[in-house]
Amino acid sequence: GAVVSQHPSWVICKSGTSVKIECRSLDFQATTMFWYRQFPKQSLMLMATSNEGSKATYEQGVEKDKFLINHASLTLSTLTVTSAHPEDSSFYICSASRPADTQYFGPGTRLTVL
Amino acid sequence: TQLLEQSPQFLSIQEGENLTVYCNSSSVFSSLQWYRQEPGEGPVLLVTVVTGGEVKKLKRLTFQFGDARKDSSLHITAAQPGDTGLYLCAGVMSGNTGKLIFGQGTTLQVKP
Repeated sequence: GAVVSQHPSWVICKSGTSVKIECRSLDFQATTMFWYRQFPKQSLMLMATSNEGSKATYEQGVEKDKFLINHASLTLSTLTVTSAHPEDSSFYICSASRPADTQYFGPGTRLTVL
Repeated sequence: TQLLEQSPQFLSIQEGENLTVYCNSSSVFSSLQWYRQEPGEGPVLLVTVVTGGEVKKLKRLTFQFGDARKDSSLHITAAQPGDTGLYLCAGVMSGNTGKLIFGQGTTLQVKP
């Protein structure tokens, strides 16, 4: 149990376009989802915390207008990178959790902006 | 300022050697988790420690949570090439809505 999926697993886009990444909890209802960013050989950096039905809470330094997060249901959260630029290229990972429970991580999405 | 200091950040050893990875903080954590991550994949949970002084074993891996719940260590005995990967510690602070505080990570390479 506790499987989290992400789609797509990788995406290449042109500079200036927007990209949407989906995070789904497949076998449980996730009241909270987290979005992370990871650069090569580095740790995970939390971008935002998303609770179902409410606005996401962004970490300091993360532009909420650039990284749009929607958590419309208990099994789906989306991250949209708007007007993507090469510096947005990274590995994006989501996690999902039930109240007072462990975070279960998705397999990640590799974004490359040309 | 890094809330959870993980060391070493890079480690290259020969098969059969032992190693220890440390995570230290001045803050108290309600729980601490260790993950292993392969390139291009998400982190996989290895263990969660909750009680100060707790020791957990997972085959050749031994995890310890400090008595004051401010630090933790991961010890690998007789490392194998299959242990190669990125090891991450992450702590949950009390009342922090489940948010994980990650250490910098330790990239381990075990050479055959």
